[in-house]
Amino acid sequence: AQSVTQPDIHITVSEGASLELRCNYSYGATPYLFWYVQSPGQGLQLLLKYFSGDTLVQGIKGFEAEFKRSQSSFNLRKPSVHWSDAAEYFCAVEIYAGGTSYGKLTFGQGTILTVHP
Amino acid sequence: AAGVIQSPRHLIKEKRETATLKCYPIPRHDTVYWYQQGPGQDPQFLISFYEKMQSDKGSIPDRFSAQQFSDYHSELNMSSLELGDSALYFCASSSSTGNQPQHFGDGTRLSIL
Repeated sequence: AQSVTQPDIHITVSEGASLELRCNYSYGATPYLFWYVQSPGQGLQLLLKYFSGDTLVQGIKGFEAEFKRSQSSFNLRKPSVHWSDAAEYFCAVEIYAGGTSYGKLTFGQGTILTVHP
Repeated sequence: AAGVIQSPRHLIKEKRETATLKCYPIPRHDTVYWYQQGPGQDPQFLISFYEKMQSDKGSIPDRFSAQQFSDYHSELNMSSLELGDSALYFCASSSSTGNQPQHFGDGTRLSIL
């Protein structure tokens, strides 16, 4: 069965420091890959997505992610974290289901990011 | 830009009652998904609809049912509510045209007393 693993449950960084959140997936084929961010009690906001092509994808709020097929990873990065980035981050995969994009998302367990001033 | 609209935002029910959650997808999105997120958990897929037909089913209890209507809005009906049903319920929508990601609503927080 497909699975998504975010090894880090909680990460704390100082404002201005760089950030990398890890995500690994287990699936035979290359899935579609996403990162979502969730503030407490809020919905999930799409940060970025990977379908195919360039393995380094840019997202909103200065985030980027790199797909590494050999490592089955899709790590999220940001060069300089802002206090407003504090939230929970979810990696998700979608298995393309034929001619229509009605594939469900499978989420990782989430990584809570705390930012110190 | 228009987003996914969910109503109500908060709902309080007692055990054994019923609840109906509504979802209005982004205009021209033909696919709707429902997810359940328990406290401190990641979202779990419940069910999805494409062009008003059920397209996939996840870990949705038999007490729950859902449908997508002709205007593409969807409703999740929950009966015989249990304490364990307390969660945040998300609806997401996407377009089947090209590679389109799912966009999520702000969710309905359901509390069972």
